[in-house]
Amino acid sequence: DVKVTQSSRYLVKRTGEKVFLECVQDMDHENMFWYRQDPGLGLRLIYFSYDVKMKEKGDIPEGYSVSREKKERFSLILESASTNQTSMYLCASSFRSSGSLTGELFFGEGSRLTVL
Amino acid sequence: KNEVEQSPQNLTAQEGEFITINCSYSVGISALHWLQQHPGGGIVSLFMLSSGKKKHGRLIATINIQEKHSSLHITASHPRDSAVYICAVQGDGGSNYKLTFGKGTLLTVNP
Repeated sequence: DVKVTQSSRYLVKRTGEKVFLECVQDMDHENMFWYRQDPGLGLRLIYFSYDVKMKEKGDIPEGYSVSREKKERFSLILESASTNQTSMYLCASSFRSSGSLTGELFFGEGSRLTVL
Repeated sequence: KNEVEQSPQNLTAQEGEFITINCSYSVGISALHWLQQHPGGGIVSLFMLSSGKKKHGRLIATINIQEKHSSLHITASHPRDSAVYICAVQGDGGSNYKLTFGKGTLLTVNP
């Protein structure tokens, strides 16, 4: 069974803390994504990576950074967590496909972060 | 205005009914995705399509590129189909790894 695994389902952090969200996929996918999902706003792309050490900013990268040192692992980092980063964070991965950079998406279960 | 509009926002049906969820978009696309999210759960990809029609079990997805419209149909609906269904489009420009998501349609199927 193919899998995208996110390290934590629920986290509670304090304002100013550094937060690491880890995502691992076992499908040898080139592409990996970090999204956040908020009520009424839907899914928004934070960062995208199409290869090891390669990254592209998404629609809302401010306050976040990412790391992709190995193909299977994509980490999202909140350098100094703030209350407006309380959200559900979803990792996804896909193959690249011909004619389109992104193939079918596979999502992790999500990490619900609360920043107090 | 969101580039991807879904209708209806909420839909309640009785078990066994035929269900249609619509998605309209305003940009040129390379592909369209239909996704399913159960309450508290992760997101599952149902379909990725760029033309025509795809079928998987009781689910059917169609797309009309000229009209910039897609539909997701569920035949013989069942309470386990209760979920949020999300339409997402993939641009056809240089950054076509980016998906633009609709706000989702909450489907409730009553027994």
